[in-house]
Parts: sequence; C-alpha cells; structure tokens
Amino acid sequence: ETGVTQSPTHLIKTRGQQVTLRCSSQSGHNTVSWYQQALGQGPQFIFQYYREEENGRGNFPPRFSGLQFPNYSSELNVNALELDDSALYLCASSLALQGASNIQYFGAGTRLSVL
Amino acid sequence: AQSVTQLDSQVPVFEEAPVELRCNYSSSVSVYLFWYVQYPNQGLQLLLKYLSGSTLVKGINGFEAEFNKSQTSFHLRKPSVHISDTAEYFCAVRRSRGGSNYKLTFGKGTLLTVNP
Repeated sequence: ETGVTQSPTHLIKTRGQQVTLRCSSQSGHNTVSWYQQALGQGPQFIFQYYREEENGRGNFPPRFSGLQFPNYSSELNVNALELDDSALYLCASSLALQGASNIQYFGAGTRLSVL
Repeated sequence: AQSVTQLDSQVPVFEEAPVELRCNYSSSVSVYLFWYVQYPNQGLQLLLKYLSGSTLVKGINGFEAEFNKSQTSFHLRKPSVHISDTAEYFCAVRRSRGGSNYKLTFGKGTLLTVNP
C-alpha cells in the first residue's frame, strides 16, 4: 500500500454537472499528479501540482482544474461534465527533489460515471 | 515527446509457465522506464523501474525487466507465473531531466491471464 488515498471511490454524476475529487499524498511527498484512465486504455496525464501551483498540464481542456493545499493534498475539479469524462481518475504523489528520480506512487482511484 | 507501445494487448499463459510482456518506447532524450501492475478495480502498483546503471532490473513478485537502448525496449519477464499474477500491466516512460520530466507516458496495457 502506497499511502496515497483518494475519495470518493465511486461517483455517479449527470452530464453538465460539476465534480470534485480528492487526494491525500503519501507522507513526505510534495507533488501530486492526476491521470485519467478510460476503460481499456492506459492512464493519460492531466496535470501536476508542486508547491500549490500547476507544474505541467496534459492535453485536457480548462474545465479540468485543480488545487494543491499547504498540506500537499489535492483536488481535481471537472466542470460541465461530458459522457466521455467517465473514467478512473488516478492521483499519484512524489517527492520532487533536484536530481532525484521523483518516483510516482498511485492511489486506488476514483471511478466516475457520467450519465 | 515520448511514446510507448505495448505489443500485446492480451497474453494468456498457464500457471508455472514463463512469460514475457513486450514494451517498446520512443524518445529523443534520455528516459526513465517503469512497469506498473493494476489488479482488478485497483490503482497502479509500481513493479520495477530503470533509472540508470545495470540494464537488468529486478522488481517485486519475481518480475524482472531488461533495458535495451539500441532496440528501445523494456520487456518484462517472469520465469514462472502464478494465478495471482493475473492483472493488467502497464509500461511507462518519463524524461529523466528537463522539459516535461514530471509526467508519465503510459502504454495501453497488456492483460496477463494466468490459467490453471
């Protein structure tokens, strides 16, 4: 077990609604990354937060946004939900240090279904 | 940009048989390489990683992988599989420094099914 916890585990929303997913980092980690895993696919990078700021972003629209808090926990917010947003959302935490390998450790994910 | 190709979407094997899951990557810069395993309805667990040094890396649960720079491959192997190894396996790559070295790029996964 990695120590990265995500909540909730499952969520059902309807198209057009907004959703917030939460992630608690592994103790000692200062960086959080979010990934979307559609059914039958590998995870796709959404964005990463370091020191409470977005550190990099994948090919996702602005309606995907995030926050990182002083305790390094994080939220992923998705506005105007679309059917294609149905997926497993994975959070990964890591320790960003100069010259270090910054290995990412994943939580169990939140399964989002958009109806 | 980096990309990963997992050459087999499904690999069925019998228990106690050897297995190899194939992974090729593309990158113009030096990279780190990873294998993650995903059991049904769970998140990703790190199996092993190649950062530098010896090209043969050993991971958990008896798995090992060999980094081949000339063939841009990082195949995963296990000499004798168990029923409990049934899972989805993902190969991933990340820049080792500079640029977008924060993000992992994953392959589409290989479903390993171990039959009795």
